[in-house]
Amino acid sequence: AQTVTQSQPEMSVQEAETVTLSCTYDTSENNYYLFWYKQPPSRQMILVIRQEAYKQQNATENRFSVNFQKAAKSFSLKISDSQLGDTAMYFCAFGTSGTYKYIFGTGTRLKVLA
Amino acid sequence: DSGVTQTPKHLITATGQRVTLRCSPRSGDLSVYWYQQSLDQGLQFLIQYYNGEERAKGNILERFSAQQFPDLHSELNLSSLELGDSALYFCASSVGRVNTDTQYFGPGTRLTVL
Repeated sequence: AQTVTQSQPEMSVQEAETVTLSCTYDTSENNYYLFWYKQPPSRQMILVIRQEAYKQQNATENRFSVNFQKAAKSFSLKISDSQLGDTAMYFCAFGTSGTYKYIFGTGTRLKVLA
Repeated sequence: DSGVTQTPKHLITATGQRVTLRCSPRSGDLSVYWYQQSLDQGLQFLIQYYNGEERAKGNILERFSAQQFPDLHSELNLSSLELGDSALYFCASSVGRVNTDTQYFGPGTRLTVL
């Protein structure tokens, strides 16, 4: 079975500091994509970053970057220079060509402290 | 703004009633996905349509049904509503039908069943 695990239900970080959110997944597929979505208090689901499994280079989007370890099936999200607006629930998700749905983790609630 | 629109934003109704949620995908996207998010829960995949045809079903109750119309907008129909159906219902869209495409989420419809 394909699963996504986020082992940190809640985290906090001081403004301007760096924080890393963990995500592990399990699949036997070779062609898959990994995503981080952010859900702020407004509850809108916002795509933060996407990583193709066939790419060795880690994806980056401004202050957000990932550490993709394919052999370890690990996909962590690093947020640099944390801002108050980063306070949100963060979901790791996984999609393969063999299934039609994204598989979401249970989320990590991140609070950025002033 | 993801380009995916959902109406209404909020819906309050009584048990036993029927409601219809509407979604318009991003321009050019052929796939529409429906997800349910109960309070403080992750996202549960309900159903996917691609270019008017049902492609995949998830944990969708028999009381729920959906369709995608020729103009590609989609409707999710919920009937015989129960208190437990209170949730945030998201629609997402993607370009193609494979799950490796990025899904862009609408703002959600918050359903409250009293």
